[in-house]
Amino acid sequence: DGGITQSPKYLFRKEGQNVTLSCEQNLNHDAMYWYRQDPGQGLRLIYYSQIVNDFQKGDIAEGYSVSREKKESFPLTVTSAQKNPTAFYLCASSPSLGDRGLNTEAFFGQGTRLTVV
Amino acid sequence: RKEVEQDPGPFNVPEGATVAFNCTYSNSASQSFFWYRQDCRKEPKLLMSVYSSGNEDGRFTAQLNRASQYISLLIRDSKLSDSATYLCVVIPLTGGGNKLTFGTGTQLKVEL
Repeated sequence: DGGITQSPKYLFRKEGQNVTLSCEQNLNHDAMYWYRQDPGQGLRLIYYSQIVNDFQKGDIAEGYSVSREKKESFPLTVTSAQKNPTAFYLCASSPSLGDRGLNTEAFFGQGTRLTVV
Repeated sequence: RKEVEQDPGPFNVPEGATVAFNCTYSNSASQSFFWYRQDCRKEPKLLMSVYSSGNEDGRFTAQLNRASQYISLLIRDSKLSDSATYLCVVIPLTGGGNKLTFGTGTQLKVEL
């Protein structure tokens, strides 16, 4: 079955450690995204990538890094510079702009809950 | 002004009621619009796209008002299972490429 997979589902990190969250999709989508969601809040965009070997900062990129070496994969590293990393992290993918220049829907992974201990 | 704004609610409605949410956006060049549903501690899932001509799917109707820069979601005959957070998504035509911007979501609670 095609889909988007995030791992791990739950992650605990000690303060001062870097940690990498995995996101893999087999939907052949060009665009991939990372969002952060805090309790009772909406989704805030961290980074997004429209094509392999290219990515752009979102609204809250500080303290995070990404890579897009393969179309299927868009890992997110939460660095020690991120002051408040405890949150629910969601990865999504979508096709590139359609024939009419319109975007189609984004599909989400099941998320990773990161807790700093 | 935020790029996308929603009333966070919660909207507490009795079963069978009709409820409507609005979502305003600031970028007049925005081209694509969607409504997503998110259940507690789950990932968002697409509810429906919002077309210029409007879109209806069963009890759900989505509309776009470009002049006033907002999209709306109408739910008729609310069910207990409709209880969730409803997120609007706006995508700009230029510059932002595929940048999906979410509103903060509107929480709906349908009660007996």
